[in-house]
Formats: sequence, C-alpha cells, structure tokens
Amino acid sequence: SQTIHQWPATLVQPVGSPLSLECTVEGTSNPNLYWYRQAAGRGLQLLFYSVGIGQISSEVPQNLSASRPQDRQFILSSKKLLLSDSGFYLCAWRGLGRTANTGELFFGEGSRLTVL
Amino acid sequence: AQSVTQLGSHVSVSEGALVLLRCNYSSSVPPYLFWYVQYPNQGLQLLLKYTSAATLVKGINGFEAEFKKSETSFHLTKPSAHMSDAAEYFCAVTRTGTASKLTFGTGTRLQVTL
Repeated sequence: SQTIHQWPATLVQPVGSPLSLECTVEGTSNPNLYWYRQAAGRGLQLLFYSVGIGQISSEVPQNLSASRPQDRQFILSSKKLLLSDSGFYLCAWRGLGRTANTGELFFGEGSRLTVL
Repeated sequence: AQSVTQLGSHVSVSEGALVLLRCNYSSSVPPYLFWYVQYPNQGLQLLLKYTSAATLVKGINGFEAEFKKSETSFHLTKPSAHMSDAAEYFCAVTRTGTASKLTFGTGTRLQVTL
C-alpha cells in the first residue's frame, strides 16, 4: 500500500532563518506531488505541484520554493522565513491509474510551522 | 475557473442529530467533487467522492452526499451525529478529465455536543 510521510511534524523558527520541510511517498512510482498551506479560516492554498523529477509549478508568488530531487521526494524550502510563512503545511500525492483520472489526493500528516 | 463555497464556517449539532454541511460549486464543465475530513493537527482524509456515476454517494463513517446539478450543490449529510465526528470538513472540486489540481473550500468546523 501507499504511504506518505512528512517531517518535521512541528517546527518553531525565528524570522529570517531557513526552512526545509520534507515529504516522501512510498509504494508508488511517478506520483504527482503537491504542497498546500493551511492558514486559520482560509482553507487550503496550493503552493506548488510537481509531475516529475525536477519539474515544479508554482501557484502563487511567495517566499517559498520547492524541489523534487527524487521521484518520491518533495521538499519545501525558504532561505529567509517571514512571520506570514507560519501555518500548517500539507504534502499530498496523486498516483497513476483509476484514482489519477478522478483527481483525489492523498495527504500526509502535515507540518506545523510557527515563525517568531 | 472552478470554485466551491462552504456555507457556515462553524456548525454545532447534538449527538444523535442530523448533520448537514453545505457545499456549492461553480464549474464550467462537469465537475468531480470531494469531501475531506481533518482532525486536529492531522492531514486530510477522503470521506467520499462524486465522479459522475451515481448522484448519491456513500462514504466512510456513515456520511453521504448528493450531487444536485440543478442546484450546483454537493451537501454532506449523516443521519445521526457521533462525538467522534467533531472535526473540520472540506469540500473540493476538480474538473472532469484534467484531474490535476483540487480547489478547496474554506472548511466547516463541526462541533458535536451531548
């Protein structure tokens, strides 16, 4: 079966410090991968998605970047964090086959980032 | 463009009462629609999905939703609420055939009281 892991689960960082959140999917090949941010009362905002190694699409201009160095690894980064980067970050994947055609995503457990 | 609107950011029901969470969608092409549930500090779990087959869709934990094209709605219901249903619920839409990105509503927090 497929699983998705995110780490760290919780992170407290000072303003101006760097960030690296990692997401790994197991049990599938060539998944589409997504980073969402969830802010209180604002639902989920799609930040980045990737359809393959080295292929990153950015949905909104921001202080963050994403990379996909391996097929099942997706990394969210920042060189200098802002207060507004605080939030709950969710990684998700969509696989091949039947579920790919109907579009549902499968989510990791999330990473809560607090920037002070 | 496609979007979903969830009416009511907070809904409170008594244990054993009917749960009704509202979702209206906007899409220029036939949509695929989803309901997800999120428990505190956890990721999102798929409850159910509509993919143009049966308009009444049954999901996990006793939830179901009905696709009504004339009303552009996809409301989530459960006949009898349980304390364990307390969570945040998200409606989401994607377009038929593209299946690349989901657009989420802002969520409805369900509170279940004794």
